[in-house]
Amino acid sequence: KQEVTQIPAALSVPEGENLVLNCSFTDSAIYNLQWFRQDPGKGLTSLLLIQSSQREQTSGRLNASLDKSSGRSTLYIAASQPGDSATYLCAFGNTGKLIFGQGTTLQVKP
Amino acid sequence: DTGVSQDPRHKITKRGQNVTFRCDPISEHNRLYWYRQTLGQGPEFLTYFQNEAQLEKSRLLSDRFSAERPKGSFSTLEIQRTEQGDSAMYLCASSPFGNTIYFGEGSWLTVV
Repeated sequence: KQEVTQIPAALSVPEGENLVLNCSFTDSAIYNLQWFRQDPGKGLTSLLLIQSSQREQTSGRLNASLDKSSGRSTLYIAASQPGDSATYLCAFGNTGKLIFGQGTTLQVKP
Repeated sequence: DTGVSQDPRHKITKRGQNVTFRCDPISEHNRLYWYRQTLGQGPEFLTYFQNEAQLEKSRLLSDRFSAERPKGSFSTLEIQRTEQGDSAMYLCASSPFGNTIYFGEGSWLTVV
């Protein structure tokens, strides 16, 4: 069974810190890996998509990496801000049939 | 706004009743997906359509659940004889072939 695990489940940091969210998966033959953001009671917003042939993607203060050999992906957030507070979910699969982790809930304190 | 639209956003129903959710994808997105999310968990895949064809259904989609996309545009997800365990947020998403997936705001279902 394909499984996705996210560590930590929750994280609280002061504003300005750089932080790393971790995602591990059991199926090395993944297709794509995506990172999403979810605000409380809301839908998901795609942050970064890493195609299977790629190793990383960057968007603004966000950088996501993919290491299929170790079954891991990381999301790096630079200079965190209170507006970054949300739940971050990683998911892998082909196009829209995705398997999600349980998410990491991030709180950035002013 | 041209995002994925879901209706209703919230639904409270009595156990045993039928409910239907509607999803309007981003226009020209040929793929449409339904997911279910319970509190504290990531979304779970239910089913997806390419145009009007339902290409895959999860084992989570019991016989009480049915999804349609009759003209390859909007989609409906119907739950018959609702049970308390059906309480969740039902998320719809769409994508053009091979690209990023876009989620709607979700439809919350509470079965009492």
